[in-house]
Amino acid sequence: SQTIHQWPATLVQPVGSPLSLECTVEGTSNPNLYWYRQAAGRGLQLLFYSVGIGQISSEVPQNLSASRPQDRQFILSSKKLLLSDSGFYLCAWSVLLWLEAFFGQGTRLTVV
Amino acid sequence: QKEVEQNSGPLSVPEGAIASLNCTYSDRGSQSFFWYRQYSGKSPELIMFIYSNGDKEDGRFTAQLNKASQYVSLLIRDSQPSDSATYLCAVYTGNQFYFGTGTSLTVIP
Repeated sequence: SQTIHQWPATLVQPVGSPLSLECTVEGTSNPNLYWYRQAAGRGLQLLFYSVGIGQISSEVPQNLSASRPQDRQFILSSKKLLLSDSGFYLCAWSVLLWLEAFFGQGTRLTVV
Repeated sequence: QKEVEQNSGPLSVPEGAIASLNCTYSDRGSQSFFWYRQYSGKSPELIMFIYSNGDKEDGRFTAQLNKASQYVSLLIRDSQPSDSATYLCAVYTGNQFYFGTGTSLTVIP
């Protein structure tokens, strides 16, 4: 069966510090991968999605970036965090773009 | 106009009752529709998906899709306290999923 791992579960970072969140999927090949952010009391906002290695589509211009160095690995990064980057970050995968997406456990990021 | 809209609630129902959650979407070309459940502090988990007009049943859950009216609903029969959560409606349109802000459901024992 397929599983998705996302870490860390919680993170407190100072403003201006770098960020690296990692997500890996097991049990499937060539998954579509997504990064979402959920701010308090708000809906899920798609940040990036990837249909293959090295292929990244950005939905929201910001100081975040994403990379897919391996088929089942998706990384979310920032060089300098802002207070507004605080939120619940979720990695997800799907077999095909229009099929259901399955979420990792999420990372709660607090920028102080 | 938001792509996906849901009543934020909170919706309260007594244990054993039917909970009805509704969602409307703006793009008539939307292809697939999903309901996720999210407990406080946790990630969303898939409950149901539906692609065609009509009803789809899975245990205590029934998803209903009406493409002409552009709405999708979720019925939860015999509601249990463990069903208390936020329910997210998601619609696949164009090349991405759009999520509603969710409806908070409380099942009162």
